[in-house]
Amino acid sequence: EAGVTQFPSHSVIEKGQTVTLRCDPISGHDNLYWYRRVMGKEIKFLLHFVKESKQDESGMPNNRFLAERTGGTYSTLKVQPAELEDSGVYFCASSQVFGVGEQYFGPGTRLTVT
Amino acid sequence: GNSVTQMEGPVTLSEEAFLTINCTYTATGYPSLFWYVQYPGEGLQLLLKATKADDKGSNKGFEATYRKETTSFHLEKGSVQVSDSAVYFCALFTGANSKLTFGKGITLSVRP
Repeated sequence: EAGVTQFPSHSVIEKGQTVTLRCDPISGHDNLYWYRRVMGKEIKFLLHFVKESKQDESGMPNNRFLAERTGGTYSTLKVQPAELEDSGVYFCASSQVFGVGEQYFGPGTRLTVT
Repeated sequence: GNSVTQMEGPVTLSEEAFLTINCTYTATGYPSLFWYVQYPGEGLQLLLKATKADDKGSNKGFEATYRKETTSFHLEKGSVQVSDSAVYFCALFTGANSKLTFGKGITLSVRP
């Protein structure tokens, strides 16, 4: 069974540019989560999809961030325009069951904004 | 709100040394507690969990006991190996919302 995959593994962009991160969850997992770790700090929740619907987006930092999950399969997270403080590692996770802490994580996308 | 506090790192140990990584939490309700581990170049993996007070989670020689009276979930291993070198994250989940709340993580390096 393939795990959660994320693309790209690393992205370096300039301030003001746009970046789109992609996450492919484990097949059959309706729940998809995005988290972010800024260097040296906690991993923080961004949002949670159940299928194609946003269940909880309370962690999204501002309206420069847009997450989508068309068709309830893969998800994208777009940052437009990127700012220096957006640098960090973006993790995607998925789970089959709603409301559990056992989540399967991808390797993360390291975003560097210069 | 919910929060998790981990001891400051990094930690460097010799092989076969005893490991303790402290974790305390603040939460409303009755959280489930987790240790996740991130090996170099990989995603986070669930290491162990405990869902109620006095439960002990264990896996790969690691153990942690859910202590409600001290709001703690310290991770221990009796004899670490070089292959245990990784970043360890303590986390909680309450089910009242859908998110894991993580500590800052601690980097463990084990030297031969």
